[in-house]
Amino acid sequence: GESVGLHLPTLSVQEGDNSIINCAYSNSASDYFIWYKQESGKGPQFIIDIRSNMDKRQGQRVTVLLNKTVKHLSLQIAATQPGDSAVYFCAENRGYGQNFVFGPGTRLSVLP
Amino acid sequence: GAVVSQHPSRVICKSGTSVKIECRSLDFQATTMFWYRQFPKQSLMLMATSNEGSKATYEQGVEKDKFLINHASLTLSTLTVTSAHPEDSSFYICSARARQGWDTEAFFGQGTRLTVV
Repeated sequence: GESVGLHLPTLSVQEGDNSIINCAYSNSASDYFIWYKQESGKGPQFIIDIRSNMDKRQGQRVTVLLNKTVKHLSLQIAATQPGDSAVYFCAENRGYGQNFVFGPGTRLSVLP
Repeated sequence: GAVVSQHPSRVICKSGTSVKIECRSLDFQATTMFWYRQFPKQSLMLMATSNEGSKATYEQGVEKDKFLINHASLTLSTLTVTSAHPEDSSFYICSARARQGWDTEAFFGQGTRLTVV
């Protein structure tokens, strides 16, 4: 498959702090990106998306930043809460009708 | 958001038997459905792309005769793992897109934990 299977890096943050999760994508032709959150034993849940004609998009407590020059995507979570503990995946869409390709994921652990 | 229902959520089967997993889009018509496999502590790996009414497109290294995909309607796709072996034990996840387009998100099912004993 296209996705890369790697052991998950982990980010630990203190409850109430801000979290920044990074993702490098591979294809400069990718034009649509999504951040997903996956809790243990469940399917991925949509968090926020961004199109390639934007460099920033904000949601409730979350912000996604896109840097097309270096093919980098980040997810910022404000005031991280225990319920934010999960694995976070970025996904890139490589064009019309194409599937999403997932990054390796980052495990976010929120410390009390 | 839209709802994708996957069934069963967990299944245990004996080696050599076949298992069918269903993926339904409950409140939208899915022109395209995707099947992923996820091993512990790893990312989602695309197995195949399924378009309604046509044959699925399999990723390199995925055996089409072993992982049978049927996308018979705009709301249902099935994945059948034939002659399952312990190495097929994994978390299988389907996703669906409501329409073709570069800016439509994919909605995911809850996943199916397959254990082959």
